[in-house]
Amino acid sequence: AQTVTQSQPEMSVQEAETVTLSCTYDTSESDYYLFWYKQPPSRQMILVIRQEAYKQQNATENRFSVNFQKAAKSFSLKISDSQLGDAAMYFCAYSDYGGSQGNLIFGKGTKLSVKP
Amino acid sequence: NAGVTQTPKFRILKIGQSMTLQCTQDMNHNYMYWYRQDPGMGLKLIYYSVGAGITDKGEVPNGYNVSRSTTEDFPLRLELAAPSQTSVYFCASGRKDRVDEKLFFGSGTQLSVL
Repeated sequence: AQTVTQSQPEMSVQEAETVTLSCTYDTSESDYYLFWYKQPPSRQMILVIRQEAYKQQNATENRFSVNFQKAAKSFSLKISDSQLGDAAMYFCAYSDYGGSQGNLIFGKGTKLSVKP
Repeated sequence: NAGVTQTPKFRILKIGQSMTLQCTQDMNHNYMYWYRQDPGMGLKLIYYSVGAGITDKGEVPNGYNVSRSTTEDFPLRLELAAPSQTSVYFCASGRKDRVDEKLFFGSGTQLSVL
């Protein structure tokens, strides 16, 4: 069975600095999707970034980028120029390529604090 | 555009009571999902549906039932509530598999079973 592990329960970053959140996963599949979701105190789940495993290039979305290491089964999220609004829980998630993208397996999350 | 709407937002149940969590979406999505999120944990898939009349179990289906009679609605039924079902429940929807398609989440229902 696929698993997702986030080894950092909490992280802290100074405003305008850069922070990297770690995620590792385990799967026997060769094609799959990986995601980072943000959950602010409002509880709303917000997609931050998505990576297709068959793509070599790392995904980027404005200040958010990933470091996808397929052989190492690692998928870290880098947040550049951190803003107060980035404070939230961040969840790494996995889904098989052949199934629905909504059949997600989540890690336990990393709580990110941003200091002014 | 309302997106995914969940009702109620909060509910307290007594052990053994039953209730239905409502979920409706107005985006004509054929895929719908129910997740639960326990304190300090990520979301876990309970049930999902790929279209009206079709449902399937996720990772943690025990103690729950679902139905999908229309494209818009995907209610989640708890028949005999237990304290282990205290959680936040999220409904989500999306279109048929597309690499660039985004999953839409509701705002959640916080359920306490006492």
